[in-house]
Amino acid sequence: QKEVEQDPGPLSVPEGAIVSLNCTYSNSAFQYFMWYRQYSRKGPELLMYTYSSGNKEDGRFTAQVDKSSKYISLFIRDSQPSDSATYLCAMRFPGSGTYKYIFGTGTRLKVLA
Amino acid sequence: EAGVTQSPTHLIKTRGQQATLRCSPISGHTSVYWYQQALGLGLQFLLWYDEGEERNRGNFPPRFSGRQFPNYSSELNVNALELEDSALYLCASSLVGGIGNQPQHFGDGTRLSIL
Repeated sequence: QKEVEQDPGPLSVPEGAIVSLNCTYSNSAFQYFMWYRQYSRKGPELLMYTYSSGNKEDGRFTAQVDKSSKYISLFIRDSQPSDSATYLCAMRFPGSGTYKYIFGTGTRLKVLA
Repeated sequence: EAGVTQSPTHLIKTRGQQATLRCSPISGHTSVYWYQQALGLGLQFLLWYDEGEERNRGNFPPRFSGRQFPNYSSELNVNALELEDSALYLCASSLVGGIGNQPQHFGDGTRLSIL
């Protein structure tokens, strides 16, 4: 079983729709959760960074973490064609001296004008 | 603020050759991470450098190596190139590696193609 599972898509939605992107994980020790957006031929861009369970909002983006279910989500409101990209979830363990960032394989999103 | 910069953008090599990829972190960031992003495989962790020292490496053979310089820039070296090394190599940096709640910021990568 992979540590992080993410549906690869592609997910196609009409402009203005609410988009829900999800990741599940198996290791309950993960404590920090991130969402990155990656456009074609570009590096991943950090969108959201959360620590605790619950919701975090930034403009049209809302990140949700449910540690009891080991499930994280990214919601995009009023989606735009410019949101078309691959979205990567990532998570890491706490603590010093130990590196472990794990990335999902990414979900391709297409927002149709 | 300048982001993470990587060079070259593209690199074409043949099997058996050696490749050197370079990365400059965001100013003030001491940790540098290298990832391989092959088609359909997601980001695979390669190496983590902090304060000039290699702190951790992923499940890659020893022909993948690197170093971090006193100015925190970093170099990734790949020896004896194989066809399956063709991928986008991404560099990321963060304020302090492995401690606290510091996320990584990525460059746009070097696309390495092996012929």
